[in-house]
Amino acid sequence: EDQVTQSPEALRLQEGESSSLNCSYTVSGLRGLFWYRQDPGKGPEFLFTLYSAGEEKEKERLKATLTKKESFLHITAPKPEDSATYLCAVRTNYGGSQGNLIFGKGTKLSVKP
Amino acid sequence: GAVVSQHPSRVICKSGTSVKIECRSLDFQATTMFWYRQFPKQSLMLMATSNEGSKATYEQGVEKDKFLINHASLTLSTLTVTSAHPEDSSFYICSARDRLNTEAFFGQGTRLTVV
Repeated sequence: EDQVTQSPEALRLQEGESSSLNCSYTVSGLRGLFWYRQDPGKGPEFLFTLYSAGEEKEKERLKATLTKKESFLHITAPKPEDSATYLCAVRTNYGGSQGNLIFGKGTKLSVKP
Repeated sequence: GAVVSQHPSRVICKSGTSVKIECRSLDFQATTMFWYRQFPKQSLMLMATSNEGSKATYEQGVEKDKFLINHASLTLSTLTVTSAHPEDSSFYICSARDRLNTEAFFGQGTRLTVV
């Protein structure tokens, strides 16, 4: 069964304290791994797509990496405005399932000033 | 990124009534739209997938007669919760993808409260 597991469930950081969020997955055939940011009461906001092991992408203080079993979202010198829930999702095929995403439960990040 | 607009953002309805939620792609043609439901501290659960002009495909356990989905045009999909009950109270989110892009862009979500 395709599965996505995120850890930790919650993470509290001081402003400027760098850390990483983990997304481990077991899928029959990865067609893309996605990171989203979700603020309370809002829909997910797209951050990154990764397709193959070794791939990396950066956006401001965020950097996403991918291996054959997991992805990391590194947050460098976070600021309070980075506080949100970060969701990881995988797409396993483009065919019969219409390419829908399988989501993890998310990591709730809180950054204190 | 592409913009997906979902309306309304919040709705309160009486038990037994029906509620319609709209999802529009504003700057691209959404050949596929997805409807999700999210419970507190839980991941997004896919309810159904719809392609423009065809019937929606519902996930196991989702009642298609209760959650009516219409994807009549390339820019609009609607989810109607019929005969709503308090247990239908939840956060509903749509997402849309065009034929070329692999990313799915999400609407702002709709908080439904059935009283």
